[in-house]
Parts: sequence; C-alpha cells; structure tokens
Amino acid sequence: NAGVTQTPKFQVLKTGQSMTLQCAQDMNHEYMSWYRQDPGMGLRLIHYSVGAGITDQGEVPNGYNVSRSTTEDFPLRLLSAAPSQTSVYFCASSYSTSQPGELFFGEGSRLTVL
Amino acid sequence: KQEVTQIPAALSVPEGENLVLNCSFTDSAIYNLQWFRQDPGKGLTSLLLIQSSQREQTSGRLNASLDKSSGRSTLYIAASQPGDSATYLCAVNNYGQNFVFGPGTRLSVLP
Repeated sequence: NAGVTQTPKFQVLKTGQSMTLQCAQDMNHEYMSWYRQDPGMGLRLIHYSVGAGITDQGEVPNGYNVSRSTTEDFPLRLLSAAPSQTSVYFCASSYSTSQPGELFFGEGSRLTVL
Repeated sequence: KQEVTQIPAALSVPEGENLVLNCSFTDSAIYNLQWFRQDPGKGLTSLLLIQSSQREQTSGRLNASLDKSSGRSTLYIAASQPGDSATYLCAVNNYGQNFVFGPGTRLSVLP
C-alpha cells in the first residue's frame, strides 16, 4: 500500500495562476481532507469529504475548490493564487464514514506564490 | 469551539530521560484524540489514537493517557533517544466534528 500520495511535492506559482494539488489514497478510505500548515497558525482544515460526490467546507475554504468523483482521489484546486496561499498543504484520509477516525497523512505539498 | 493547546512549546532533554508532553482541550465531549509525530519537511505520522471510551494507549516506548473530565492528554516517552527528536502534535475531534490540532511541542533529544 502506498497510503496517501500527494503531488507535486513543490510548486512555485505567480499571483493569479491556477493549479491543482493532487491527492490519492489506496486504503479505500471514505473520509478525505485537506489541511494547510503555516508557522504560528498550526494545521487548519480547508475542505473535507465523507465519500464520493460529497464535499464540505472547513475552517479556511476561501480561494480553494474541491471535488470527489472517486473514493481514491480528492484534488484541491487553487482558482487564482495569492501570496497568502503560500503554505504547506497536507491531504489526510480516514476509514470512518460517519466520523473521522485515525487520520493518515500524505507527505505534503509545499506551495510558494510570488 | 474546540481549542487545543500544548505545553511546552519546545523541550530539550538529554538522551535516556523519560519525558511527558501535555495536550489540553476546552470541550471535553470528544470522540477521538490522536497523537502525531512530524519530522522537519515531512508529513504527520500517527503514533496513537485514543477513543473517548479509553483511558490510555501504548505502543512500544510511548504511552498516551486521556482524562476527558479535566480536558487533558499526556504523551509519555520512555528512555528517550536522539531519533525521537521531532515535533509532536495532538488532535481532538468532537462528535460530528473534524479534528482540531494543537500547535505542537518541538522535542530535541541530545546525545
């Protein structure tokens, strides 16, 4: 099992550009989520999904879109990148359907917006 | 709104010491509490998950305890080693809610 796989690991964007961070898991987890980690702010939830076709907003959803067309994949889209979106992004998944259980994280994607 | 704090923010100990990391949360009606380890530039690795009905969990040299009534969890690391140097985070979720993370404790174990 590869677990939770994120791509790319590093990305540099210019303000206004768009991009998609990819997240895939091979553990048949129903719950998937995206966090951003910033110094002094800790980990904050952006969006999450409790199954294919179902997504919801977390604490800091503005500027980001998600979709969940399959159980395995949960991409995060930045529509028009801003310097405030410079961060490290983590995807996490869990087996539970009704309530997040043990979370498993990817290695992270480090994004710099100039 | 659930808030999670961790004390101390940083800790430096000599190799071989037993140590305790603390996690406090404001809403005691939790469902799960999870301890993670994060190495620099890496993702989070799950160490221990304690469900609300449990008082403690053990894995090797690690022992995590949970006291819901006081809103506290402790992570006990026995016989610390330089390889234990990392940031340790706790996360809590309440019923029907997502996990809320603490800011972490940065641990350095000196040879």
